[in-house]
Amino acid sequence: AQKITQTQPGMFVQEKEAVTLDCTYDTSDPSYGLFWYKQPSSGEMIFLIYQGSYDQQNATEGRYSLNFQKARKSANLVISASQLGDSAMYFCAMREASGNTPLVFGKGTRLSVIA
Amino acid sequence: GAVVSQHPSWVICKSGTSVKIECRSLDFQATTMFWYRQFPKQSLMLMATSNEGSKATYEQGVEKDKFLINHASLTLSTLTVTSAHPEDSSFYICSALGVLRQAFLRSAFFGQGTRLTVV
Repeated sequence: AQKITQTQPGMFVQEKEAVTLDCTYDTSDPSYGLFWYKQPSSGEMIFLIYQGSYDQQNATEGRYSLNFQKARKSANLVISASQLGDSAMYFCAMREASGNTPLVFGKGTRLSVIA
Repeated sequence: GAVVSQHPSWVICKSGTSVKIECRSLDFQATTMFWYRQFPKQSLMLMATSNEGSKATYEQGVEKDKFLINHASLTLSTLTVTSAHPEDSSFYICSALGVLRQAFLRSAFFGQGTRLTVV
């Protein structure tokens, strides 16, 4: 069964600094996708970045990059130049390729950006 | 990106009444929709999977008679919370899978969520 682990319940970062949010996963399916979502207090799930298991390069989307280490089964999110608006819950999620499978989420990390 | 519209955004209802939440895919056909529930300060927990034209598949511990899911078309799925009680108060959010062959794995889109309060 697939599983996502986020071990950091909360993180603090100084404005303009970079921060890494940890995520490890477990799956027996060789084909899968890894996602990061941001959830502000409004509740909406904002898609940030995606990494496919066969992608050769680490994904990047603006200030977000995904440090994908397949052998270690880790998919850490790096946010560069943190902004006050980055304060939110961040969820790592995974989806296996076999069938119409749902996203499975980690417990999340609450990021607080300090001025 | 693709748009999923969920309605209402929030609802307050009396204990014992039923509430219907709609999830619509606006610009793509959603063959499968997922319903999640999120309690405060917790992660999203999958409640059920619905495929167009067939009965929903519920996760263990989710009462199918209480949480009625209908997926009658490729663009609409509904979740009805029947005989709601205060413990059903939660954030409910849907996710739709589109038919994007080139990006099958990443084609999961979320609605805005519905905050249900049962008083």
